[in-house]
Amino acid sequence: LAKTTQPISMDSYEGQEVNITCSHNNIATNDYITWYQQFPSQGPRFIIQGYKTKVTNEVASLFIPADRKSSTLSLPRVSLSDTAVYYCLVGDIYGGATNKLIFGTGTLLAVQP
Amino acid sequence: KAGVTQTPRYLIKTRGQQVTLSCSPISGHRSVSWYQQTPGQGLQFLFEYFSETQRNKGNFPGRFSGRQFSNSRSEMNVSTLELGDSALYLCASSLGISQGEQYFGPGTRLTVT
Repeated sequence: LAKTTQPISMDSYEGQEVNITCSHNNIATNDYITWYQQFPSQGPRFIIQGYKTKVTNEVASLFIPADRKSSTLSLPRVSLSDTAVYYCLVGDIYGGATNKLIFGTGTLLAVQP
Repeated sequence: KAGVTQTPRYLIKTRGQQVTLSCSPISGHRSVSWYQQTPGQGLQFLFEYFSETQRNKGNFPGRFSGRQFSNSRSEMNVSTLELGDSALYLCASSLGISQGEQYFGPGTRLTVT
């Protein structure tokens, strides 16, 4: 499974757009990129998933360049409630071999008023 | 549709005791995975089950065991508790076997004294 590297922490202010970048140099052809959000003492929550180019849903956008060696999670107009740890994961979602998710250290996003 | 539920939410045990944690997946989900989360080690994979069969196991001692029932509910057991077993134990459910979107429960906070 590909290893990911993210910044340990980021700071932002309410109303700003936040971009969290994840590096995954050894991503395999069949791997997808998935982001989870976790609040303290809660289980992680799926945010978004993609393979290439751009994916957007109601809460975030995911940008993946052509070489797929990195990805950027974009959170528009963050609020205090977006303060959480964000995890980037890569894995084969159609391989059917395992459910095992490998979480790195994640990025602690702190949103200030 | 109800989410993943875990019981109990909080538990205090003494060293040497054993503990059983329960996880009820989302209705229709046949896969359950377990994770341990500690401040020092982060989120670590324990094991995964699909259709009552353990498919994958993480790097934990044999004191950690689990099982899955025919209704997909799962239990994990930790025997001879050690102080280092204090952690948030999370279970996640999904429809099948893949590294795609998984749904996490709120976790069981285990404290060993």
